[in-house]
Amino acid sequence: DAGITQSPRHKVTETGTPVTLRCHQTENHRYMYWYRQDPGHGLRLIHYSYGVKDTDKGEVSDGYSVSRSKTEDFLLTLESATSSQTSVYFCAIREIMENNSPLHFGNGTRLTVT
Amino acid sequence: GDSVTQMEGPVTLSEEAFLTINCTYTATGYPSLFWYVQYPGEGLQLLLKATKADDKGSNKGFEATYRKETTSFHLEKGSVQVSDSAVYFCALNAGGTSYGKLTFGQGTILTVHP
Repeated sequence: DAGITQSPRHKVTETGTPVTLRCHQTENHRYMYWYRQDPGHGLRLIHYSYGVKDTDKGEVSDGYSVSRSKTEDFLLTLESATSSQTSVYFCAIREIMENNSPLHFGNGTRLTVT
Repeated sequence: GDSVTQMEGPVTLSEEAFLTINCTYTATGYPSLFWYVQYPGEGLQLLLKATKADDKGSNKGFEATYRKETTSFHLEKGSVQVSDSAVYFCALNAGGTSYGKLTFGQGTILTVHP
């Protein structure tokens, strides 16, 4: 068990409201990632972090921001939620520093924007 | 940019049938390749990986060989079980300065009937 907890597990929100999803890890790993999963698209990278306060954009970062003020928490914020952001969001960590090491995923947050 | 293409699904098989899920990739350099599996309501779990050409990854009866000449990493299993029903994702890590990011295929839904 990679010690990743995502919260909440499910959320329904209205268009235009801000939403923050949390990813918490217990293992003090440096690299963390946020992906979204949509049918027909697999998983697409939103943002990632390579250390405290060190973050960068992925391929689908528009409309999202992230923060990492401490090693164990990586927050994903939708500043003003839209229906196109209805998705399942997965957090992942990289346990080993080798560049070809696999990622380990949390159980996801299902977000519905109405 | 880097990309992964998986065979279209869904795939429906009878128990004990032979499984192949095709995966091809486009990447510069020397990527590492992975297969992940996602059971209903769960996050992604690493199934197997290969880090260089001609490597064979294997786990739980599944196998995949890294073929650089055909840029492929097809997943196979000789005799599937009902418990193998899940979504399967092929992914690559481009290496270098990619910060361990994974690029995913669109996923293939596998259903195995008794």
